[in-house]
Amino acid sequence: VQLVQSGAEVKKPGDSLKISCKGSGYSFSNYWIGWVRQMPGKGLEWMGIVYPGDSENRYSPSFQGQVTISADKSIGTAYLQWSSLKASDTGIYYCVRRSDYGFHYGLDVWGQGTTVSVSS
Amino acid sequence: QSVLTQPPSTSGTPGQRVTISCSGSSSNIGSNSVNWYQQLPRTAPKLLIYNTHERPSGVPDRFSGSKSGTSASLAISGLQSEDEADYYCATWDGSLNAYVFGTATKVTVL
Repeated sequence: VQLVQSGAEVKKPGDSLKISCKGSGYSFSNYWIGWVRQMPGKGLEWMGIVYPGDSENRYSPSFQGQVTISADKSIGTAYLQWSSLKASDTGIYYCVRRSDYGFHYGLDVWGQGTTVSVSS
Repeated sequence: QSVLTQPPSTSGTPGQRVTISCSGSSSNIGSNSVNWYQQLPRTAPKLLIYNTHERPSGVPDRFSGSKSGTSASLAISGLQSEDEADYYCATWDGSLNAYVFGTATKVTVL
């Protein structure tokens, strides 16, 4: 069971970006996939989640309207995208699998992280 | 600022027992199970404790979790050098309608 994320990105403010997270070793459609941000030297922040089976998504209030979370179950891949990056979007982004027993049972699989650097 | 508060750091010598607290409120810890994550330096976090006190396969029984009211704790007994890491508590917050992480505690093995 693993989540493999796309590689590091270096972008300019105002650029658009879409990073990916490919699941393998389990039934991708049946588990919620979430995204977690870690800004440089800071803690973990929950961004939102998507259910690949029907593409339902839910966002943390802090990230609603700032990013788009989606998934394509046909290729077992989830995405996190920005339409206009800001310098404050710089950080490491982890995709995570939520346990099929819900948040009580935690985020049981983590991707390796994708580093996003935004600078003029 | 996170709604779950942890001490910024704690330390111990090898073999000692250390505990990490996580303080929340009735809308998060008070009404939901707590999870703990371990983040070793320069690596992705890993689930350490789920459902307040259960350990995933492969996690040593030196790690234990508990909860009382609106606070939770992680205990590490028989501290080892490889336990040096950042530790995060986390739970669902019904008021924010979001999963929330604690402020992180850095454990140093002296």
